[in-house]
Amino acid sequence: EVQLLESGGGLVQPGGSLRLSCAASGFTFSSYAMTWVRQAPGKGLEWVSSISGSGGSTYYVDSVKGRFTISRDTSKNTLYLQMNSLRAEDTALYYCAKLSGLAAWDPFTAWGQGTTVTVSS
Amino acid sequence: DIQMTQSPSSLSASVGDRVTITCQASQDISNYLNWYQQKPGKAPNLLIYHASNLETGVPSRFSGSGSGTDFTFTISSLQPEDIATYYCQQYDNLPITFGQGTRLEIK
Repeated sequence: EVQLLESGGGLVQPGGSLRLSCAASGFTFSSYAMTWVRQAPGKGLEWVSSISGSGGSTYYVDSVKGRFTISRDTSKNTLYLQMNSLRAEDTALYYCAKLSGLAAWDPFTAWGQGTTVTVSS
Repeated sequence: DIQMTQSPSSLSASVGDRVTITCQASQDISNYLNWYQQKPGKAPNLLIYHASNLETGVPSRFSGSGSGTDFTFTISSLQPEDIATYYCQQYDNLPITFGQGTRLEIK
């Protein structure tokens, strides 16, 4: 059974940093692209970033480019999202998700339960 | 960016009703369109991929159709457990974008 467990969320001041983690199990981690999707309180879904199965290709929504970095550690079966220069508008529930294949824009076939990031002074 | 417009934004229907949600893309996305269900307080769940393919384990009362810019999601006979918000998503071009969601309620 595929399991994705996010951690690392919390309360941070504007301009601060956080690193989110997503521990994966139940599948061959290196064989699938992974993604982060966020959902602001009471709002819809917003794609944030994706990484290919090899980790060699990464993609970001414009609003986080230059501030967020996605990465993966195959030895630990873990996906990361390093978030720097955080803004109030980054406040959201952050989900990690597994894609259906190696490509960074395949359907999102499994999701974690999310970790909450709150950016506030 | 490709804009995805869902209609309606909210919908109230009775158990057993046929429910239809539409999604329109701002440009041709072929059939690179998925549908997700998000129940209250839960993570989203993939129901339909590539416009019309039913994800494994998803009940057959759910279906999708369309190509190009116009897509339809249908529940053939609404069940109480279908209370959720439904999102379309295009994956033809980056950035991947979602529709604004359709909140489905039971009358």
